[in-house]
Amino acid sequence: SQQGEEDPQALSIQEGENATMNCSYKTSINNLQWYRQNSGRGLVHLILIRSNEREKHSGRLRVTLDTSKKSSSLLITASRAADTASYFCASGSARQLTFGSGTQLTVLP
Amino acid sequence: DAGVTQSPTHLIKTRGQQVTLRCSPKSGHDTVSWYQQALGQGPQFIFQYYEEEERQRGNFPDRFSGHQFPNYSSELNVNALLLGDSALYLCASSGGGGTGGNQPQHFGDGTRLSIL
Repeated sequence: SQQGEEDPQALSIQEGENATMNCSYKTSINNLQWYRQNSGRGLVHLILIRSNEREKHSGRLRVTLDTSKKSSSLLITASRAADTASYFCASGSARQLTFGSGTQLTVLP
Repeated sequence: DAGVTQSPTHLIKTRGQQVTLRCSPKSGHDTVSWYQQALGQGPQFIFQYYEEEERQRGNFPDRFSGHQFPNYSSELNVNALLLGDSALYLCASSGGGGTGGNQPQHFGDGTRLSIL
């Protein structure tokens, strides 16, 4: 079964707009990771935030983590058509990642 | 520098058969994890191998088994295939000496398994 849920399940925006995806998880974690998956391909690691961090940036990506609410958010700024993909959060314990159900992002040109 | 490679890319089997999927990790990585991804769902953790031993297992029956070789490559075996085993099977590798959940994982493009 999935560890948590992502919200929304699907998101459609115009190129240049920002996209925000939310993730909730159920158990204590060492870290929270975000991955992208293009159709029919494997997952690509985007960013990892440790449980003692609250915010992290990488290029156009901004991730926040609230361990008291067991939630995280991923913000993609100035979106591009190439950002169209499924996005998954994954909660990390020492030996495994537990993935959420994903958000399908569509960026319209 | 080759990333994670998986073979075959596609496979069709019938119920009751057995299947073996293969994975070569990214160069320098010593830990391999396997995931099952049903259509429209997130990946579900099957198990993790480090130092040729299964170190962690998800909620999968004993029909799912694996192996890791001295060169860190890995196999996933599934016996007595069921229709519900149809999925994309993903292999991921990481460094970190068996603490795969604490590291970014590098994924292959998966094996698409269809059960008829």
